[in-house]
Amino acid sequence: GAVVSQHPSWVICKSGTSVKIECRSLDFQATTMFWYRQFPKQSLMLMATSNEGSKATYEQGVEKDKFLINHASLTLSTLTVTSAHPEDSSFYICSPNPGTGGNEQFFGPGTRLTVL
Amino acid sequence: QKEVEQNSGPLSVPEGAIASLNCTYSDRVSQSFFWYRQYSGKSPELIMSIYSNGDKEDGRFTAQLNKASQYVSLLIRDSQPSDSATYLCAVIAGTASKLTFGTGTRLQVTL
Repeated sequence: GAVVSQHPSWVICKSGTSVKIECRSLDFQATTMFWYRQFPKQSLMLMATSNEGSKATYEQGVEKDKFLINHASLTLSTLTVTSAHPEDSSFYICSPNPGTGGNEQFFGPGTRLTVL
Repeated sequence: QKEVEQNSGPLSVPEGAIASLNCTYSDRVSQSFFWYRQYSGKSPELIMSIYSNGDKEDGRFTAQLNKASQYVSLLIRDSQPSDSATYLCAVIAGTASKLTFGTGTRLQVTL
């Protein structure tokens, strides 16, 4: 499987601050990046899809001005949670896709965000 | 109606037994089907993928797909305590490679 890293693995912040999460594909180039979040005892929900060098496409109900996604290179994408609030506390997981036609998707190790 | 449905469990099986996990999906144009295993606090790990009707075996795992009935299942033979986890069924229906997940079935393998 693909090697994917996320940083940080966990973060605790105060309400109102912004948090940046990095996702790196270490052994392949990701033309597409999927960002998911998972609330406790729930399944993964797709937040947005981004293609390298293009604006991200957000799923219904996900605020694009609150969750800023940058996919400036084929190996790095960032998700910034702006003005975080306790309801944003969740497990954020990236999934880089090489776009070579295969449908199997692999996930980063995830970032646990806790907003106090 | 949820797009991908799974029984939340927990499904409890004794060590060495066969665990059977089921999943149904609503979109008939679904093309690709996946089973992921997720340990508590960790991200999902791909176990199996299946694209055509029938069975696909990989070690102790067998995925079964029936597109006419819109269900996909995962069998785990010789279940081990280390198999205890939540198993997520995921489906791709269109061309955008977007995964839709079920809510997962929690499996407990008892000694």
